[in-house]
Amino acid sequence: GAGVSQSPSNKVTEKGKDVELRCDPISGHTALYWYRQSLGQGLEFLIYFQGNSAPDKSGLPSDRFSAERTGGSVSTLTIQRTQQEDSAVYLCASYVRGLTDTQYFGPGTRLTVL
Amino acid sequence: AQSVTQLDSQVPVFEEAPVELRCNYSSSVSVYLFWYVQYPNQGLQLLLKYLSGSTLVKGINGFEAEFNKSQTSFHLRKPSVHISDTAEYFCAVSSPRNTGKLIFGQGTTLQVKP
Repeated sequence: GAGVSQSPSNKVTEKGKDVELRCDPISGHTALYWYRQSLGQGLEFLIYFQGNSAPDKSGLPSDRFSAERTGGSVSTLTIQRTQQEDSAVYLCASYVRGLTDTQYFGPGTRLTVL
Repeated sequence: AQSVTQLDSQVPVFEEAPVELRCNYSSSVSVYLFWYVQYPNQGLQLLLKYLSGSTLVKGINGFEAEFNKSQTSFHLRKPSVHISDTAEYFCAVSSPRNTGKLIFGQGTTLQVKP
């Protein structure tokens, strides 16, 4: 499709397990963002990728969180040793600076840590 | 640093009545402003945005917003709401001078009653 896609749509895991969340941005969009939406914290920025530049990791809440973007397209957000407070909806957005200056969001991955 | 305050967490309104959802922002640099809508169990959809130019911005579904620089506000309005407008609405700010990451308000739940 033409939009941002994310997988899985839902993920239930046990505390202490690692999880990987995937984002497929809109083709040609050079920028990609991850956000987290949780009841207590609202919508928070996590990490930003732009082309081949070093990512902006300033929003990652701990060193258990990491992300990579392969080939300037697909991105994976990894959470190691998950904790119950990691339960949230993880949203991905892609963007082309200067064209529309609009971020297009995927449907999100709902992560539940038991 | 930038921040966004949505002054009302919930706004109940009757169908066909007008509505205003309030948003104030704080920023030391020039900003772009956005309103996103999130319908139940769905992702974020852009309603409208202010980048530059006319301070009155029209969006989808009959919504509009006015950028007021002196009051640092970007309130969202609709003259006549429908049941289908029931959703959560997020105001967000970004800066053209940085990575474009969005800083979101806490959200306002619009509840349209018959």
